[in-house]
Amino acid sequence: LAKTTQPISMDSYEGQEVNITCSHNNIATNDYITWYQQFPSQGPRFIIQGYKTKVTNEVASLFIPADRKSSTLSLPRVSLSDTAVYYCLVGGLILRSARQLTFGSGTQLTVLP
Amino acid sequence: DTGVSQDPRHKITKRGQNVTFRCDPISEHNRLYWYRQTLGQGPEFLTYFQNEAQLEKSRLLSDRFSAERPKGSFSTLEIQRTEQGDSAMYLCASSAGPRGTGELFFGEGSRLTVL
Repeated sequence: LAKTTQPISMDSYEGQEVNITCSHNNIATNDYITWYQQFPSQGPRFIIQGYKTKVTNEVASLFIPADRKSSTLSLPRVSLSDTAVYYCLVGGLILRSARQLTFGSGTQLTVLP
Repeated sequence: DTGVSQDPRHKITKRGQNVTFRCDPISEHNRLYWYRQTLGQGPEFLTYFQNEAQLEKSRLLSDRFSAERPKGSFSTLEIQRTEQGDSAMYLCASSAGPRGTGELFFGEGSRLTVL
């Protein structure tokens, strides 16, 4: 199972770009990389998913190098409401095991005014 | 609202009592997951259904825990003889099958407090 490693916490200021990196050294060929955001007392919410290179949507970008052993979630111009825990998950659409959809401890992002 | 719904949102019970949580997934999703989350930790996988079949169970799911998904629609998670260590948020998620994106859609969770 692909284990992920993220920083425990990060601080930023409003308006800045935030990059959160996740390491997943034993990612498998069929695995996708998915990032979730979680606010207190709520379930995690999908942010972005990618397989390789770069993916961008209306809220974030995801950068994946060629070896796919890491990924970086980029949040442009964060606001106070982006304060949350961010998780990266590695898993495949062809689900070998649901256990692979394992959340680590995540990264607590705190955006300061 | 067509998202994942969970009921009840909060449950306070005394040690030794049984509790049951219900999850209604997104209707076209055939995969359903239960996770448990304690304060400061990420969600921990408990069990997984594909349609009505329970395909995987975590070792965290002791014999006091049982989950069902009759007819492949809603699911229930029952905890018998609750212990204080069972206090946690119980999260349900659903996803589409292989033709979907694999994205997990989570409910708001059911918070259990065992006194």
